[in-house]
Amino acid sequence: NAGVMQNPRHLVRRRGQEARLRCSPMKGHSHVYWYRQLPEEGLKFMVYLQKENIIDESGMPKERFSAEFPKEGPSILRIQQVVRGDSAAYFCASSPGPSESSYEQYFGPGTRLTVT
Amino acid sequence: AQSVTQLDSQVPVFEEAPVELRCNYSSSVSVYLFWYVQYPNQGLQLLLKYLSGSTLVESINGFEAEFNKSQTSFHLRKPSVHISDTAEYFCAVSVAGGSYIPTFGRGTSLIVHP
Repeated sequence: NAGVMQNPRHLVRRRGQEARLRCSPMKGHSHVYWYRQLPEEGLKFMVYLQKENIIDESGMPKERFSAEFPKEGPSILRIQQVVRGDSAAYFCASSPGPSESSYEQYFGPGTRLTVT
Repeated sequence: AQSVTQLDSQVPVFEEAPVELRCNYSSSVSVYLFWYVQYPNQGLQLLLKYLSGSTLVESINGFEAEFNKSQTSFHLRKPSVHISDTAEYFCAVSVAGGSYIPTFGRGTSLIVHP
């Protein structure tokens, strides 16, 4: 399967624990985006990364949230000290390098985070 | 900054009826426009896109959308829907030549009844 992979698909954490969400982009794609989806609220952009660089993190909460896309391995979205309000579906998308085709995004199946 | 408005949060229709899902955008510069579909418990999939050229674009499963610059709209239509079209549909806009990060609408839930 050459699509965008996300794991885990479902994640349950107690308040105060850490959540780590992983995303492997499509083969050949070097741009990764993270989004959060809440019921009735649509898709909210969080962060845009290229290998070893954060390009735009204007949608990331200032505290507890961080993201990385290392030279080797998947992109990681990390949420420290989770609270109930972090419960949502988190989607990763990828696109190829700089070109017109990078305006099309390919989405993974999402990670559904539940904070108890 | 650009914005997207999907006027209907939910559209119920009967099978084989036509449907139109509305999308209006706001931008002072040229844009690229997209429709994505999300089936239950899945990620978004690109349904169709407008980058340039013909203002009428079509998908492989019978949907079409028309870019109307004067009305700043990109409505999605299908002449005859199937039960399997039941899904959430998102309109998205990007600034042509600008950031790769699109702005998404809040989504329209299409519910097809037998």
